[in-house]
Amino acid sequence: DAGVIQSPRHEVTEMGQEVTLRCKPISGHNSLFWYRQTMMRGLELLIYFNNNVPIDDSGMPEDRFSAKMPNASFSTLKIQPSEPRDSAVYFCASSLGNEQYFGPGTRLTVT
Amino acid sequence: GENVEQHPSTLSVQEGDSAVIKCTYSDSASNYFPWYKQELGKRPQLIIDIRSNVGEKKDQRIAVTLNKTAKHFSLHITETQPEDSAVYFCAATPNAGKSTFGDGTTLTVKP
Repeated sequence: DAGVIQSPRHEVTEMGQEVTLRCKPISGHNSLFWYRQTMMRGLELLIYFNNNVPIDDSGMPEDRFSAKMPNASFSTLKIQPSEPRDSAVYFCASSLGNEQYFGPGTRLTVT
Repeated sequence: GENVEQHPSTLSVQEGDSAVIKCTYSDSASNYFPWYKQELGKRPQLIIDIRSNVGEKKDQRIAVTLNKTAKHFSLHITETQPEDSAVYFCAATPNAGKSTFGDGTTLTVKP
């Protein structure tokens, strides 16, 4: 099992550009979570899906952020337009039941 | 919603000593309590978890205790080694729902 796969691993972009982060959960898992980690705010849950349906998006900071899960094996987190304060490590995690397995993360830098 | 407090924020011990990290939670509906270890630049990884019907669980040098009445749970690491140095996160989870994470404890084990 390859585990949770995220791409890209690193992204550097200029303020105002659109950024799309991608996640492939572990096969068979039915829940998918997007987190953001920064030194100042720690590990924050942005949104989570169950059976491809968004269940709780209360952590999405603002309308510039959107997430989709078109099928059980793929999810995207989009930021449009990006701002320097969006710089962080974005983790995707998946689970079947309670145990969450994290992907390697995408380090986003917005200049 | 759930609120998780984690203490201490930093902990430094001598190799071979024990380390204890404590968390409290607020939502009595939480029934699953995982602990994650995150090494520098890596993803959080589940190291041990406990469910509400159990008071203590051990796995080699690590153990977790849960007091549901007082709404607190703790991570115990015995015979610490330098490779135990990392950031440790606790979390509280209601019935297969989203986890709320503590702010993390940076553990340093001095050789």
